[in-house]
This record gives sequence, structure tokens and C-alpha cells, in this order.
Amino acid sequence: DGGITQSPKYLFRKEGQNVTLSCEQNLNHDAMYWYRQDPGQGLRLIYYSQIVNDFQKGDIAEGYSVSREKKESFPLTVTSAQKNPTAFYLCASSRQGWGYQETQYFGPGTRLLVL
Amino acid sequence: AQSVSQHNHHVILSEAASLELGCNYSYGGTVNLFWYVQYPGQHLQLLLKYFSGDPLVKGIKGFEAEFIKSKFSFNLRKPSVQWSDTAEYFCAVKGEYGNKLVFGAGTILRVKS
Repeated sequence: DGGITQSPKYLFRKEGQNVTLSCEQNLNHDAMYWYRQDPGQGLRLIYYSQIVNDFQKGDIAEGYSVSREKKESFPLTVTSAQKNPTAFYLCASSRQGWGYQETQYFGPGTRLLVL
Repeated sequence: AQSVSQHNHHVILSEAASLELGCNYSYGGTVNLFWYVQYPGQHLQLLLKYFSGDPLVKGIKGFEAEFIKSKFSFNLRKPSVQWSDTAEYFCAVKGEYGNKLVFGAGTILRVKS
């Protein structure tokens, strides 16, 4: 059963704590993405990776970090520098990152709440 | 920079009413256009997409969208909505030179049974 999995479904963060959100795909896609969804603002790009061991900042990268050590995995760390982390985080992948006419497919999301 | 505008944030319709959700984008070059849907508690999923060719594209569940290049628009339509169409709908655009998918703010559709 191919797809994108994200865990956990809900995550609670305390003040000053770093937390890591998991994203795994078994679609053999080269490119992976992290978005943040806030009510009334659509999806905003945090980071993306076109290939293993390479990633670029998106529009709202401050307070976040990523790694891409394996093709199928693209974890996102929300650091203590992110002052407003409460949001719904979506991971996506596409066959290629730089290709024209590529479709992104999304995981089920992780909802991060601050205690 | 690319931007996407969805005209209505909330739409309420009765079952069997016709639906049209507006989407306009700002980008001067060739574009790929998408509509995604997020049903309550479910994944964001692709409803339909336009890459090239016939500007009228058909998607899942009876939805269609028309690309009007001169108006920079990609409006979503459905002739008769059902209660199960209650969801949030997102328009998204990707330019030919770049790999970023830019999303609109979303339109929440509520269909009354």
C-alpha cells in the first residue's frame, strides 16, 4: 500500500522544547516538502528537498530544521526558536522536484499544540 | 512572486445547488494549476489538475475546472453539490520555472442537507 505517512497525529510541545515530526513515503519519489497550514492562510512552504542530502528553505523556514538522509524520510524539527508553532503540518512528495508538470501528494498531517 | 487568490473563504449551499469557486493567480508565464480538497478529518487530496491542452478539465466526484488564460483564472465548478462535498477547497499554482507550489487561502464549503 503506497503512500505518505506522518507521525504522530497529535504532538504537544512545552516551552523551550524541540520536537520532531516524522514523514515517510514509499512512493519512490525524489522530492519531499513540508507545509504549515493555519486557518484562513492556506498552506505555506517551510522546507523542501529535491534529492537526498539536499534541501532548501521555503517561505517560512525560521525556527524549523530538516534533514534528508534517506530518500523515503524527511523529518521536520520545530525548534524553540519558532515562537508560534501551533499549526497543522503537512508533508508532501512528488516524483521530481524541479520537473514541470509534477503533482504533489500529501500525508495525513500532524497537529502540533503548545502546552 | 506568484500569488493565488480565492474569492470566498466560506460558502454555504443547499444540496443540489450549483457550485462555482473562484481562483485567480498572478504569474506571467506558463503554469500548472491544481485544485485540492480536504474533507473533514482526511488527507489533502488532489481533485483535478491542468497541465496543458483542453482548458476544461474534469476531476473526481463530478468536479470540473476551466482555465481561462486571459483572466488568469481557474474556477472550480460542480453542477449539483451533495452533503458529502462539505470540505475545504484549495487552489494551487506552480510556474514553469520553479518548483514551488503556491496555495490560495482556501474556501470552506458547507452543504446543507
